[in-house]
Amino acid sequence: SAVISQKPSRDICQRGTSLTIQCQVDSQVTMMFWYRQQPGQSLTLIATANQGSEATYESGFVIDKFPISRPNLTFSTLTVSNMSPEDSSIYLCSVRGYQETQYFGPGTRLLVL
Amino acid sequence: EDQVTQSPEALRLQEGESSSLNCSYTVSGLRGLFWYRQDPGKGPEFLFTLYSAGEEKEKERLKATLTKKESFLHITAPKPEDSATYLCAVRGNSGGSNYKLTFGKGTLLTVNP
Repeated sequence: SAVISQKPSRDICQRGTSLTIQCQVDSQVTMMFWYRQQPGQSLTLIATANQGSEATYESGFVIDKFPISRPNLTFSTLTVSNMSPEDSSIYLCSVRGYQETQYFGPGTRLLVL
Repeated sequence: EDQVTQSPEALRLQEGESSSLNCSYTVSGLRGLFWYRQDPGKGPEFLFTLYSAGEEKEKERLKATLTKKESFLHITAPKPEDSATYLCAVRGNSGGSNYKLTFGKGTLLTVNP
């Protein structure tokens, strides 16, 4: 399975600011995904990031709030824009592996004050 | 819309006391059912993928089984290091290039020595 790293591992931010989260994979992958894990809730897919094309967003998530970049096959970023306390969550990137399996990074723990 | 319900929400066992975790699902055409383990402060760690009813997979003290409506994660003679949150997810045949996994809320397993 791929080795996935995320930066930062955690952050505390003020409302109204933006944070960019980086996801780095140790091998080339075609599909990367961004999930959110809110306290007491299920992991929820935000968007699918494909290299060379626009990200595909799930219902309830919009590009203006969560812009995503995918400049190459080993890297992606997710920006959480104009943050509010409701954005406090764990943000996880994942990659598609063998058949349907997805492998996850360690997550970024975000607290918005 | 795919749905996953995990039970119980929390389970406390004594070391060596075997038990099972349940994952009930509804999905339009199952492409895969996934079990993950998540330790505090970490991302989900992949355990198993099951593709069709009747399939079983084992890894150390864990055994995952699948029917058309639910999956069980059997834990035999658990040890304290098995303490974690166990997540179940499904990928349905929703079409297109969407590889979305739908997760349950997880079962928090605590194994006391």
